Amino acid sequence: GAGVSQSPSNKVTEKGKDVELRCDPISGHTALYWYRQSLGQGLEFLIYFQGNSAPDKSGLPSDRFSAERTGGSVSTLTIQRTQQEDSAVYLCASRGGRTNTGELFFGEGSRLTVL
Amino acid sequence: QQQVKQSPQSLIVQKGGISIINCAYENTAFDYFPWYQQFPGKGPALLIAIRPDVSEKKEGRFTISFNKSAKQFSLHIMDSQPGDSATYFCAASKGGGADGLTFGKGTHLIIQP
Repeated sequence: GAGVSQSPSNKVTEKGKDVELRCDPISGHTALYWYRQSLGQGLEFLIYFQGNSAPDKSGLPSDRFSAERTGGSVSTLTIQRTQQEDSAVYLCASRGGRTNTGELFFGEGSRLTVL
Repeated sequence: QQQVKQSPQSLIVQKGGISIINCAYENTAFDYFPWYQQFPGKGPALLIAIRPDVSEKKEGRFTISFNKSAKQFSLHIMDSQPGDSATYFCAASKGGGADGLTFGKGTHLIIQP
């Protein structure tokens, strides 16, 4: 498809397990963002990739969170030793390309539930 | 420190009425102010955006009013419809949108038929 694709759409895991969330951005988009959306908490910035530059990790809440972007395209957000407070919707967005208007294009998110 | 403050947190408007959501920012380097609309189970999508060289931008029933001196901007939805019921996020960015967006906490809007 032409939009941002995220998988899985839903993930239920047990406390202490590791999870991986995947984002496939729009083809040609150079910028990729991860946000976390908790109930009533808005959109919390996690990490930002721009081309081949070092990522901006300033929003990652702890060292249990990490992300990588391979080949400037697909990104994986990894949460190690999950905690109940990690339960949220994790949104990926991409931006850029030839007509960069500043608009972020979001995927539908991965809903993570930690039991 | 919250850089973009949004209010109200929730809003109920009668069909046909005007919905108004307000945002205030602190960083004077911000120069791109978009509004995003999010329906349940979906990701946010750009609704309308403004840059500080104009005080108002209108697209259909949606208008952004921008007050640079007060560091405030607002979204007005005219003739609000039940289909407008969604969560609305204001945001701000530097670099004309090239930098990442800082979002407000969102407003849950309900339009009653």
